[in-house]
Amino acid sequence: GENVEQHPSTLSVQEGDSAVIKCTYSDSASNYFPWYKQELEKRPQLIIDIRSNVGEKKDQRIAVTLNKTAKHFSLHITETQPEDSAVYFCAASSNTGKLIFGQGTTLQVKP
Amino acid sequence: SAVISQKPSRDICQRGTSLTIQCQVDSQVTMMFWYRQQPGQSLTLIATANQGSEATYESGFVIDKFPISRPNLTFSTLTVSNMSPEDSSIYLCSVSGANVLTFGAGSRLTVL
Repeated sequence: GENVEQHPSTLSVQEGDSAVIKCTYSDSASNYFPWYKQELEKRPQLIIDIRSNVGEKKDQRIAVTLNKTAKHFSLHITETQPEDSAVYFCAASSNTGKLIFGQGTTLQVKP
Repeated sequence: SAVISQKPSRDICQRGTSLTIQCQVDSQVTMMFWYRQQPGQSLTLIATANQGSEATYESGFVIDKFPISRPNLTFSTLTVSNMSPEDSSIYLCSVSGANVLTFGAGSRLTVL
């Protein structure tokens, strides 16, 4: 089955700096790669996603890149703000619809 | 996206007892899933709740421990049976629409 590896497990950046979180997946049939943000005591919320027919997608300060050959995708957050502090999860899915999640990255943005 | 109501939001349970978590969606959805999030951990898929048939369980999860019902396209229940402290987790219902997964608020269970 699918396996998703996520790095780093923790990331601390200064406000205004960029943050990058990387994931790899094992199942070549995976074709959908979302990123979720989970704040303390709250449910995971989708922040951006990318499908396998696209190499890059951007939404304001957030971007995701996908390298299907390497089975690798990344989340990029620019101009980080304290409210970006949260746990971020990557995930992968094939046409089954079920998502397999990475281990999570705790991002701390220092003011 | 679908609005998901999940209850209870939290509960404290005694070892050996069972608890049923309910998940209600405001629209008909084909795919519903149950996830577990242990303290400080990621989300692990327990099973896919299939309408009108038995749930499909992931490796490491069995029907006797986590029986699931899905009587229609808007409702599902997950029971955590014969609980032990290791079952203390957040259990999340989720629904998929066009591959976009939306989560309920979760049920935080503490087993003493």
